[in-house]
Amino acid sequence: EAGVTQSPTHLIKTRGQQATLRCSPISGHTSVYWYQQALGLGLQFLLWYDEGEERNRGNFPPRFSGRQFPNYSSELNVNALELEDSALYLCASSLNGGYTFGSGTRLTVV
Amino acid sequence: GIQVEQSPPDLILQEGANSTLRCNFSDSVNNLQWFHQNPWGQLINLFYIPSGTKQNGRLSATTVATERYSLLYISSSQTTDSGVYFCAVERGDYKLSFGAGTTVTVRA
Repeated sequence: EAGVTQSPTHLIKTRGQQATLRCSPISGHTSVYWYQQALGLGLQFLLWYDEGEERNRGNFPPRFSGRQFPNYSSELNVNALELEDSALYLCASSLNGGYTFGSGTRLTVV
Repeated sequence: GIQVEQSPPDLILQEGANSTLRCNFSDSVNNLQWFHQNPWGQLINLFYIPSGTKQNGRLSATTVATERYSLLYISSSQTTDSGVYFCAVERGDYKLSFGAGTTVTVRA
């Protein structure tokens, strides 16, 4: 069974640009969760998508957004990038309580 | 929000030693997981353990939900056990709250 897959592995963007990160959940999982791991801030909940709808979001500004497609894969978009958006972005899916994470996308804003 | 505290923050072990990592949480939870973050950043799920005791090879975990803590035991540690161990809890709102992690270094 394929796990949670994320792409790209690394992404380098310039301040002010937009970044798009992608995630595919485990087959059969309908929910996708996004987390940010920034240096010194730990792992923080970003967004939860289920059945194509945004169900919950963490304490992040609106320039962090995303969507979930009919096949349950998801995109995370970060607009107007700031230097402090540099972080590891992790995606997870869940079934019956336990969360499984992907390998992450390391975003660097220069 | 719920507070999650992990101790110790850092742990240095000699290969073959045993160790215990602790996770305290401030409120009742319906999900608790232990993860190991590898050097490439991936979070590897070790245990889904909202209560009770589980074992997987040299690792075991115990959660005492009524006293709001969980313990992760590493026995006969190996250098491949090095990394950061995270405890994460969820209160039914579908968002995990993570502790700050315990950085484990196992020396050969």
